[in-house]
Amino acid sequence: GQQLNQSPQSMFIQEGEDVSMNCTSSSIFNTWLWYKQEPGEGPVLLIALYKAGELTSNGRLTAQFGITRKDSFLNISASIPSDVGIYFCAGRGSARQLTFGSGTQLTVLP
Amino acid sequence: SQTIHQWPATLVQPVGSPLSLECTVEGTSNPNLYWYRQAAGRGLQLLFYSVGIGQISSEVPQNLSASRPQDRQFILSSKKLLLSDSGFYLCAWSLDTEAFFGQGTRLTVV
Repeated sequence: GQQLNQSPQSMFIQEGEDVSMNCTSSSIFNTWLWYKQEPGEGPVLLIALYKAGELTSNGRLTAQFGITRKDSFLNISASIPSDVGIYFCAGRGSARQLTFGSGTQLTVLP
Repeated sequence: SQTIHQWPATLVQPVGSPLSLECTVEGTSNPNLYWYRQAAGRGLQLLFYSVGIGQISSEVPQNLSASRPQDRQFILSSKKLLLSDSGFYLCAWSLDTEAFFGQGTRLTVV
């Protein structure tokens, strides 16, 4: 089946720093999604990517759909305390359901 | 606009007791519906998905079952809970590519 490797597993950064996380797949994906989950809540969709090479921004967040269609990255610029949470990548290939990465736990230190 | 409701938010149940978690979606028709489990705040494990009324696909053999009695209603059940059933359960819906999550149910089996 499809597998996603998401890295890093966790990050501790200073407020104001930029953040980068990525996901790689064992197979080609047609869609890449990035979610953020805060404690005790369900994941919330941040960015959706539909085409290889696509670069999409949502405020301080930027995500790209890799040209090989097997990877995607998410960047957060000028981090703030409310960026804390778990970030998940998800991809959809030939299977009907999404495959999720294992998440990146982000901690922003004041 | 579409909304998803999941309840209860938290639940403490004794081992061996039954379980019923309910999820409903409003504002859309014939959605794909999903149940995920999340252990220790990391990793989303797909348990069940449904593409229509009465159509349930199970991803992982387990002590749980799912039903879809109506188009926008998805129920997660167990006849006898195990300690290992504790976790954070998330319902989600999608039409095509993007999935949207409910607020989750924190289940503690004691």
